[in-house]
Amino acid sequence: QITLKESGPTLVKPTQTLTLTCTFSGFSLTTGGVGVGWIRQPPGKALEWLALIYWDDDKRYSPSLKTRLTITKDTSKNQVVLTMTNLDPVDTATYYCAYTFGGPFDYWGQGTLVTVSS
Amino acid sequence: QSVLTQPPSVSGAPGQRVTVSCTGSSSNFGAGYDVHWYQQLPGTAPKLLIYDNNNRPSGVPDRFSGSKSGTSASLAITGLQAEDEADYYCQSYDSGLSGSWVFGGGTKLTVL
Repeated sequence: QITLKESGPTLVKPTQTLTLTCTFSGFSLTTGGVGVGWIRQPPGKALEWLALIYWDDDKRYSPSLKTRLTITKDTSKNQVVLTMTNLDPVDTATYYCAYTFGGPFDYWGQGTLVTVSS
Repeated sequence: QSVLTQPPSVSGAPGQRVTVSCTGSSSNFGAGYDVHWYQQLPGTAPKLLIYDNNNRPSGVPDRFSGSKSGTSASLAITGLQAEDEADYYCQSYDSGLSGSWVFGGGTKLTVL
């Protein structure tokens, strides 16, 4: 059974850096074809893909946010970490991590709401 | 603006059939990339509903079906039920710029 869970701060000040951790079980990020992505959703708005990391450490970023994002993995801990710099109130959103095997995002975490406010 | 365009809302009475459209372009659907659909019930995470244009994951009722043709895709729901009231999102891959995964703007389905 594949499960994912996001963790991190719920409140971040503008200009600060956000670090979110996705802890997963039921699969390994050393298995060929497997990836973990991050997707966010501002309150009342649509989903937006942010970043994705594959089993072979191939990393992909949203073109509009790539200068602010870093995605890494720790296979020994079954974790994927997303870092976003220079936070702004428009970055307030629920952040999800999700499992993919090269096609859709098959399994999603419950999401974590991050509010950017001074 | 989303790369994939969906109507903001659709509605239907119980038992009816509704469709949700998703319009793409030559850099996503037109380039041969598949469409996937997600259902997001209020206050919950998205759930995969249809993958690779017209396939249902285990446990998804056959009332849900998908199709893709050219630069457009659609999700059909037959025998509408109250529990189908949710937001629906299409998703694909776009080869523009340096390539990215893209979502539609979402469609709110209201069961009358």
